[in-house]
Amino acid sequence: GENVEQHPSTLSVQEGDSAVIKCTYSDSASNYFPWYKQELGKGPQLIIDIRSNVGEKKDQRIAVTLNKTAKHFSLHITETQPEDSAVYFCAATMNSGYSTLTFGKGTMLLVSP
Amino acid sequence: ETGVTQSPTHLIKTRGQQVTLRCSSQSGHNTVSWYQQALGQGPQFIFQYYREEENGRGNFPPRFSGLQFPNYSSELNVNALELDDSALYLCASSLVGQDGYTFGSGTRLTVV
Repeated sequence: GENVEQHPSTLSVQEGDSAVIKCTYSDSASNYFPWYKQELGKGPQLIIDIRSNVGEKKDQRIAVTLNKTAKHFSLHITETQPEDSAVYFCAATMNSGYSTLTFGKGTMLLVSP
Repeated sequence: ETGVTQSPTHLIKTRGQQVTLRCSSQSGHNTVSWYQQALGQGPQFIFQYYREEENGRGNFPPRFSGLQFPNYSSELNVNALELDDSALYLCASSLVGQDGYTFGSGTRLTVV
């Protein structure tokens, strides 16, 4: 089955800096890669996603890049703000909406004012 | 559109008891998945229901079972609770053929 590795496990940045979280996946059949933000006591919230036929996607301060050949994808957050502090999870699946999501272990991002 | 709602939000059970967790799907979604999230870990897939039938299962024993109802809501049942079952249980709904899985806020289960 699919295996998703996520790094780093914790990331501390100063407000205004950029943050990058990286994930690798094992199953070349995976074709949908969402990123979730989870705040304390809440469920994961989708922040951005990308399909395997796209190399990069951007939404304001958040961007995701995908390298199918190397089987890795990354989350980039620019101009970080204290409210960006949360746990971020990457995930992969081969049949969006129908197949299981395989998650990484998460990255705790702390943005200091 | 309404999101995914789960009940109850918190639950404390004794080892050996049985528990039922409930989930209402996001409007328009027809697939429900359940995940177990241990403290400090990513969510682990338990099983998924589509058209009221289980169509995928993760590495969980048979004492974890579920149901999906005609209105796409769902239940997760766990029998013979063990201490290791203590976790956040997440429900996610989706629509076959469409991107995006919407998660509820979860049920925090504590087994003592």
